[in-house]
Amino acid sequence: AQTVTQSQPEMSVQEAETVTLSCTYDTSENNYYLFWYKQPPSRQMILVIRQEAYKQQNATENRFSVNFQKAAKSFSLKISDSQLGDTAMYFCAFRISGGSNYKLTFGKGTLLTVNP
Amino acid sequence: EAQVTQNPRYLITVTGKKLTVTCSQNMNHEYMSWYRQDPGLGLRQIYYSMNVEVTDKGDVPEGYKVSRKEKRNFPLILESPSPNQTSLYFCASSLWGREMRETQYFGPGTRLLVL
Repeated sequence: AQTVTQSQPEMSVQEAETVTLSCTYDTSENNYYLFWYKQPPSRQMILVIRQEAYKQQNATENRFSVNFQKAAKSFSLKISDSQLGDTAMYFCAFRISGGSNYKLTFGKGTLLTVNP
Repeated sequence: EAQVTQNPRYLITVTGKKLTVTCSQNMNHEYMSWYRQDPGLGLRQIYYSMNVEVTDKGDVPEGYKVSRKEKRNFPLILESPSPNQTSLYFCASSLWGREMRETQYFGPGTRLLVL
């Protein structure tokens, strides 16, 4: 079974600064996907960024980037130039490649607060 | 607009009173899934469906039923709700079989309180 661990229950950052959220995972699979989802106070689940395990290059989406270390099973999210609208719960998620169930295994989340 | 809709968004009910939470998507997605979110536990999968008439259990299926009679709809049924089913429920959908490109889209969530 796969597990996802987010070791930081809460974090805070000043507006315009950079913050990194940590995520580690455990799996015996070689092919899989990793995701970061954002859940603002509205409770909507919003995909922030996705990484395919077979790709060595780290994914980037505007101010969001990841540091994917496959051997270490680490998948951290870096948010640059933090904005007040980034305040949310962030979930790291894992999914194996192939199979019939596209189940996402989620970590417990990190609550990020961006302060003005 | 591509979206996943859920109804109701909020529901307060009493123990034992059967209820259904509907989920509908307009993206012609084959795969649909239900998750529940509880504080400190993240999201956990309840049931999933790969296509019409094909469903299977996720990690926490006890006390729930689903059906997939139409491709766009995937209702979650609680035959006899109990207080431990008080939770925030999410429906999600994606393409299936073309996994290199698909993304799971989530509905807005249904907050359920069982008294």
